[in-house]
Amino acid sequence: GNSVTQMEGPVTLSEEAFLTINCTYTATGYPSLFWYVQYPGEGLQLLLKATKADDKGSNKGFEATYRKETTSFHLEKGSVQVSDSAVYFCALNSGGYQKVTFGTGTKLQVIP
Amino acid sequence: DAGVTQSPTHLIKTRGQQVTLRCSPKSGHDTVSWYQQALGQGPQFIFQYYEEEERQRGNFPDRFSGHQFPNYSSELNVNALLLGDSALYLCASSPTGGSDYGYTFGSGTRLTVV
Repeated sequence: GNSVTQMEGPVTLSEEAFLTINCTYTATGYPSLFWYVQYPGEGLQLLLKATKADDKGSNKGFEATYRKETTSFHLEKGSVQVSDSAVYFCALNSGGYQKVTFGTGTKLQVIP
Repeated sequence: DAGVTQSPTHLIKTRGQQVTLRCSPKSGHDTVSWYQQALGQGPQFIFQYYEEEERQRGNFPDRFSGHQFPNYSSELNVNALLLGDSALYLCASSPTGGSDYGYTFGSGTRLTVV
């Protein structure tokens, strides 16, 4: 079955540091890949997506590249801010009916 | 344009009771999916509704059931509540059209079973 593996958190960074959150996946076919973000007390928000190999999704300074050869979709940001503190979920959808499988989430804490 | 609306936001129930959670999808979306998110975990897929029918189901017992109405809103029902059902229940909507679309999530209903 489909699965997503994320690096365990929490990840603590100083403001303006470089961020990488690793994500690898197992799926049949050619999945679409997503990163969602969850701020405290809220639901999940779609951060970025990529729908085919070598696509790069980007939003709000975050980027992730769909690497089919390594089955990875690592999230990066060049300079994090305190407001980026949240839980980040990697996810995939390999079915036409949009059943999305999520990773366990990585908590990011950015300190001033 | 309202996003996904869930009600209630918080709920406390006693073990053995039944609960109904409600969801209104984002305007223009016709597919509703329900997820259970335990504390510190990723969301787990419960089921998905489209055209008023359950189209897919995750690994949840029959105590979990749902419904979708003609206006695309949806309900999640849980019978015979267990302590382990305590979680954040998330509703997500999406438009018809395949796997390229991401979900729009509501803020969730926090269910506590005591």
